[in-house]
Amino acid sequence: DIQLTQSPSFLSASVGDRVTITCRASQGIRSYLAWYQQKPGKAPKLLIHVASTLQSGVPSRFSGSGSGTEFTLTISSLQPEDFATYHCQQLNSYPLTFGGGTKVEIK
Amino acid sequence: EVQLVESGGGLIQPGGSLRLSCAASGFTVSSDFLNWVRQAPGKGLEWLSILYSDENTYYADSVKGRFTISRDNSKNTLYLQMNSLKVEDTAVYYCARGGSGSGFDNWGQGTPVTVSS
Repeated sequence: DIQLTQSPSFLSASVGDRVTITCRASQGIRSYLAWYQQKPGKAPKLLIHVASTLQSGVPSRFSGSGSGTEFTLTISSLQPEDFATYHCQQLNSYPLTFGGGTKVEIK
Repeated sequence: EVQLVESGGGLIQPGGSLRLSCAASGFTVSSDFLNWVRQAPGKGLEWLSILYSDENTYYADSVKGRFTISRDNSKNTLYLQMNSLKVEDTAVYYCARGGSGSGFDNWGQGTPVTVSS
């Protein structure tokens, strides 16, 4: 199975900060990586798929990059509504797997 | 508008069975990839199973042989039959649309399952 390791697992930041979250795969997954945002008590929301394609309706301050085994999610200027947990997911091979999550909290 | 609504969760004893339903609207379940994903309390997301339009299926090792994914095209509904339930199956269960390399673009609100004696 492909393991995804997210770092950091917890992040404290301020409104307006640039935030970067990393997701590393235990083996190459080409560009088959998605990023989700999840708020407490809610279902995850797709932000980015195929590593760097912004899902329709997602603000342009979110961006994704990477291929192979290393990927990043960047929020260019953190907004109050961005405080949430972020998950990466690989869709290269079964079983599909998620990273452990990164919780972004207000500093 | 695409909508997914799960139901069927609840409290069940270890070793018991439960069937979850996911009623879809705004698209046809027979023509799309559909998944079940769960999240244990305070934990991350765990993908469980996918059902292809051609009825091909895949499962996570943790549920293979115990859980079965299926659909009823006439009801436009996805199911997850869960047998031999364990305490560690306690989680919120989500259905989600998507797969084949792309992300899951639509999710239900989730239905909680508690396995406890």
